[in-house]
Amino acid sequence: EVQLMESGGGLVQPGRSLRLSCATSGFTFGDYAVSWFRQAPGKGLEWVGFIRTKPYGGTTEYAASVKGRFIISRDDNRSIASLHMSSLKSEDTAVYYCARGRIRITLAGAVVADASDIWGQGTVVTVSS
Amino acid sequence: DIQMTQSPSSLSASVGDRVIITCQASQDIGDYLNWYQQKPGKAPKLLINDASNLETGVPSRFSGSGYGTYFTLTISSLQAEDTATYYCQQYGNRPTFGQGTKVEIK
Repeated sequence: EVQLMESGGGLVQPGRSLRLSCATSGFTFGDYAVSWFRQAPGKGLEWVGFIRTKPYGGTTEYAASVKGRFIISRDDNRSIASLHMSSLKSEDTAVYYCARGRIRITLAGAVVADASDIWGQGTVVTVSS
Repeated sequence: DIQMTQSPSSLSASVGDRVIITCQASQDIGDYLNWYQQKPGKAPKLLINDASNLETGVPSRFSGSGYGTYFTLTISSLQAEDTATYYCQQYGNRPTFGQGTKVEIK
């Protein structure tokens, strides 16, 4: 069975850091991009960022709201992706989800992650003093 | 970033009704459009990818159409288990979601 499972959420003070993990099983992890999304309480879905597969450099893209503060990484040997969050703000409070997606090269030549077909169950991050 | 505008923000319909949700992109995204269903307390579930491709296991009463800037998600005969919030998402450039459409049973 294909599974993704987030962990590492919790209560953290503003300005501090937190690292989330996304453990996967049931598929060839190295063949897939991994995206992170979040959902603030009572709000809609927001894309946080994603990491490409190693053949595409394992490079990353981030939403403007987290760029420079969040870093996504991957360990293909352990089939795990991570989201390292620093300089946390109250507005980062949300349920964080990881999801897998296929690499797609768009007509414009961008290397993106297409549909997120399998998601983890989410982990709650609360930023508060 | 590309803005995605969904309509309506919520709707109430009876079992068996045909329901249509629309999603408009602020610029041409081709068919780089997905639809997700999210039930309370659960992760989103992919229903349709690339505007019109039904995911395996998703009931055939769900369908998607559109290209460029205008897209629709249709539920041909609403069922009680379809109560959820539905989101469109473009993934062609820095993914963004619509604000969601909450579907309830009348």
